[in-house]
Amino acid sequence: GQQLNQSPQSMFIQEGEDVSMNCTSSSIFNTWLWYKQDPGEGPVLLIALYKAGELTSNGRLTAQFGITRKDSFLNISASIPSDVGIYFCAGHRGSTLGRLYFGRGTQLTVWP
Amino acid sequence: NAGVTQTPKFQVLKTGQSMTLQCAQDMNHNSMYWYRQDPGMGLRLIYYSASEGTTDKGEVPNGYNVSRLNKREFSLRLESAAPSQTSVYFCASSEGSWYSNQPQHFGDGTRLSIL
Repeated sequence: GQQLNQSPQSMFIQEGEDVSMNCTSSSIFNTWLWYKQDPGEGPVLLIALYKAGELTSNGRLTAQFGITRKDSFLNISASIPSDVGIYFCAGHRGSTLGRLYFGRGTQLTVWP
Repeated sequence: NAGVTQTPKFQVLKTGQSMTLQCAQDMNHNSMYWYRQDPGMGLRLIYYSASEGTTDKGEVPNGYNVSRLNKREFSLRLESAAPSQTSVYFCASSEGSWYSNQPQHFGDGTRLSIL
């Protein structure tokens, strides 16, 4: 079943504000991925993290692989209306433990 | 850059009808996946295929069958559709074996309604 707890479930912010969301688990993960899903489309990979403590940026997006390996964080700076969508975290526990696990998503709404 | 292509994009079925959802990827990926997405539930894995000719069950396989036709194509079949199968279905693919940590790349989904 679902092993990733993603929060918050939804956010309503004003354009220009910064956004933070996170994903936690009781299990250790070797890889953390962050996806964005625009309305009516499939999830698109934003950032991939492969080492504990790793901090990676993609434009205004910054994600971190928690040092405990049980969590990850995504920050969006200076939000704009096109940031609207659902953000998913996903984690991989290692080669013997197979598949990717997904969080339930954070719905982001940005008001102009 | 097509990536992962799913057809159809929308479909309405009556209870008991059968249907096959098609998926093709042009990235030469070994592994392919089928997910369903329901409100508040996130993405749930239905079936996956580690390589051509192999398939395995995911979290929610009941009521579905799959075929890995070749390296590019992975289809999902509903033999007797039920209203509980109303959902958005996503196909995905990844480089390397299914147990590797390579990111999965998704299609745009098939929105399926069963009346």
